[in-house]
Amino acid sequence: LAKTTQPISMDSYEGQEVNITCSHNNIATNDYITWYQQFPSQGPRFIIQGYKTKVTNEVASLFIPADRKSSTLSLPRVSLSDTAVYYCLVGLSGGYNKLIFGAGTRLAVHP
Amino acid sequence: ETGVTQSPTHLIKTRGQQVTLRCSSQSGHNTVSWYQQALGQGPQFIFQYYREEENGRGNFPPRFSGLQFPNYSSELNVNALELDDSALYLCASSLASGLPNTGELFFGEGSRLTVL
Repeated sequence: LAKTTQPISMDSYEGQEVNITCSHNNIATNDYITWYQQFPSQGPRFIIQGYKTKVTNEVASLFIPADRKSSTLSLPRVSLSDTAVYYCLVGLSGGYNKLIFGAGTRLAVHP
Repeated sequence: ETGVTQSPTHLIKTRGQQVTLRCSSQSGHNTVSWYQQALGQGPQFIFQYYREEENGRGNFPPRFSGLQFPNYSSELNVNALELDDSALYLCASSLASGLPNTGELFFGEGSRLTVL
């Protein structure tokens, strides 16, 4: 399974756009890229998933370049409630999930 | 729609004891995965169950075992508890179709295990 590398922590301020980049150099052809968010003492929560190019939902956007060796999660206009740990995962999605979580990126949003 | 529920939420055990954690998957989901999350770290994959069979296992010793029942609920059993087993144990359910799909995992709130 592809290993991912992402920044350990990031700081931002309310109202700013936050971009978290994840490297996955040995991503396989069938692998999807998925991002999860986790608040303290809670289970991770699915944010967004993509295979290539750009995906957007009501919460975030995911940008994936043509070589798919990296991806960027974009959170528009963050608020204090976006303070959490964000995990980038790469793997074959579908029911046979064996998604491997890394250490994640701790995002702190300041007033 | 009922979400993933786990029990107990917190428990304390002593070294050498055995523990059973329980998980009810989200309605309509047929696959359950278990993760161990130590403090300050990302969740580590323990194993996954699909149609009552183990369908993949992470780097955990045999004293970590599980079951999935016909109603797709699941149990995680840990024997001979060690101090390092102290962690948040997360259960996640999903719907397996055999084809790549959104593959979204729905996590429970976890069971916090403390081993003294």
